[in-house]
Amino acid sequence: KAGVTQTPRYLIKTRGQQVTLSCSPISGHRSVSWYQQTPGQGLQFLFEYFSETQRNKGNFPGRFSGRQFSNSRSEMNVSTLELGDSALYLCASSQRQGSEKQYFGPGTRLTVT
Amino acid sequence: GDSVTQMEGPVTLSEEAFLTINCTYTATGYPSLFWYVQYPGEGLQLLLKATKADDKGSNKGFEATYRKETTSFHLEKGSVQVSDSAVYFCALSDSGTASKLTFGTGTRLQVTL
Repeated sequence: KAGVTQTPRYLIKTRGQQVTLSCSPISGHRSVSWYQQTPGQGLQFLFEYFSETQRNKGNFPGRFSGRQFSNSRSEMNVSTLELGDSALYLCASSQRQGSEKQYFGPGTRLTVT
Repeated sequence: GDSVTQMEGPVTLSEEAFLTINCTYTATGYPSLFWYVQYPGEGLQLLLKATKADDKGSNKGFEATYRKETTSFHLEKGSVQVSDSAVYFCALSDSGTASKLTFGTGTRLQVTL
């Protein structure tokens, strides 16, 4: 089985722009979670999607949003980018909502200049 | 809220040395505890987990015991190899939101010949 894939792997954006990141879960997995990894804050939970609905949310501003499609693929959007949004964004998939067994993708490295 | 504290790195050891990475947690409920590993250029991988007090998780020679009385989940390995060089993350999930992981800041391990 193919693992979790994330596209693009690297991205450079300018302050004020918006960005969309994509995550394709492992085949058969229906839950997708997103995390932000920065040197200062470490790994922080953004949100979880299951059956096209957001099920859990972390403590991030409304500029961070996401969605999930009927094929379980998920996108994450960040609007009005700030320098502090530079981070590695990780996606994790699991078979069902609330599953502790999560499989992580390689991440998308976002740099905001 | 929930939090995880793990020892600062980097930790530098010679091959075949004994490894301990300390991890303590704060949680209101009865969390499950995890160790994840991130090898250079790769995504996070689950190393081991424990779901209740006194459980011992083990994998690839690594072990950690869920100690409720000391709220700890220290990672140990009797004899490290160069291939163990990576960043190790301690994490917990609350029983109510199992897929939402709270991570420690990570400990970088460097093993030399």
